[in-house]
Amino acid sequence: GAVVSQHPSRVICKSGTSVKIECRSLDFQATTMFWYRQFPKQSLMLMATSNEGSKATYEQGVEKDKFLINHASLTLSTLTVTSAHPEDSSFYICSASSQGTEAFFGQGTRLTVV
Amino acid sequence: LAKTTQPISMDSYEGQEVNITCSHNNIATNDYITWYQQFPSQGPRFIIQGYKTKVTNEVASLFIPADRKSSTLSLPRVSLSDTAVYYCLVFTSGTYKYIFGTGTRLKVLA
Repeated sequence: GAVVSQHPSRVICKSGTSVKIECRSLDFQATTMFWYRQFPKQSLMLMATSNEGSKATYEQGVEKDKFLINHASLTLSTLTVTSAHPEDSSFYICSASSQGTEAFFGQGTRLTVV
Repeated sequence: LAKTTQPISMDSYEGQEVNITCSHNNIATNDYITWYQQFPSQGPRFIIQGYKTKVTNEVASLFIPADRKSSTLSLPRVSLSDTAVYYCLVFTSGTYKYIFGTGTRLKVLA
């Protein structure tokens, strides 16, 4: 299957700082990318959907000013957690789809805010 | 989006066949069923996808009855490395906006 790569795989940041997570589709053009977060022993929760060149659509309860999503190209989407706090510590996962075909998931990014 | 219901957890022994059933009572005509596997601290990995009847690949089989209100993932001869969480998802063709349910935590015992 197609490859979706996330970077970094782990990041530790200080409370109050911002951190950016990248999601790249390595061998296909991703017209749509999805961002999820997952707390320990819980399921994945969809945060937002982004289409290349458009503003992201956020799920109910997700703060768009807190979680900035940019999908500037067909191979790259970024999630920036702004003014991170310990409660933002989580596992963040992206997935990418090309024009309605199967979505492929990245390996995830473990964010720890101290 | 159709909601899915799965058992929270299951235990099995190595070498046994494992069947995990998922209920999706309000599945729509254009909806497909997909199963993913997730290991700790990793992204979900695609297992199998189907629309109706039976689908088989090198790792699993998916059984979908005629009314499509449920589906069963069958893992033949599981091993310890199959210990993971298995998610059943329903999505509409053309939009891969996956909404994850609780998943089934499978533990394979020696």
